[in-house]
Amino acid sequence: AQSVTQPDIHITVSEGASLELRCNYSYGATPYLFWYVQSPGQGLQLLLKYFSGDTLVQGIKGFEAEFKRSQSSFNLRKPSVHWSDAAEYFCAVDHSGGYQKVTFGTGTKLQVIP
Amino acid sequence: EAGVTQFPSHSVIEKGQTVTLRCDPISGHDNLYWYRRVMGKEIKFLLHFVKESKQDESGMPNNRFLAERTGGTYSTLKVQPAELEDSGVYFCASSQKVYEKLFFGSGTQLSVL
Repeated sequence: AQSVTQPDIHITVSEGASLELRCNYSYGATPYLFWYVQSPGQGLQLLLKYFSGDTLVQGIKGFEAEFKRSQSSFNLRKPSVHWSDAAEYFCAVDHSGGYQKVTFGTGTKLQVIP
Repeated sequence: EAGVTQFPSHSVIEKGQTVTLRCDPISGHDNLYWYRRVMGKEIKFLLHFVKESKQDESGMPNNRFLAERTGGTYSTLKVQPAELEDSGVYFCASSQKVYEKLFFGSGTQLSVL
C-alpha cells in the first residue's frame, strides 16, 4: 500500500531563512506527487505537483520541490521564508492517475519567527 | 467566484447523536470528494461523487456514515450515531473534471464528546 511520511511534525524558521520540508513516499509505480498548504481558517491549497518530466518543479508563492526516485523523496523548498508562509504543509501522493484518491502525509506545521 | 463552502465550520455533539455536514462545491464542478483528518493523523480519502453518483466510497469507515449528493449539486455527510473516534476535521473538495486540480473547503471541525 502507498504511504507518505513527513518526519517533521513542527518546524520553526526565522523570517528570511531558507526552508526545506521533507517528504518520503512508498509506492510501487511512478507516483503523482503533490504539496498542499493549509493556512489558518482556510482550505488546502495546491502549491505544486509532479506528474512526470523535469524532476524539479516550481510552484506558487516561490516554492519548489525536487523528485528523487532513488531516495523516494519529494522535498519542498523555499529560499527565503516570509511570515505569511506560517501554515501547515501536506505532502501527498495519488495512486489513481490524477487527483482523485490522494493519500496525504500527517503534515508539518511551520512557524516563522521574526 | 465562490469557492467550496462547508457548513457548519464547527460542530460539538454527544456520543450517540446524529450530525449532518454539508458541502457546496464550486458551481459546475461535477466531482466532489470528502476527506477526513483525525487529530494528529493524515488526511484520508472517504469518497468521491461524480454528479449524483458515488464513484468510489472505499474510504468510508463504516455504515454509520452516509453521504448523499441529490441532484448533483451540494452534498451531505451524515454520521449516525456518532462515536468518539469520529472526531476530526472533515474536508470537502471539488473539481470540474476527474483529472483536474482539487479545490478544498476550509473543513468542518467535528467534536464528539
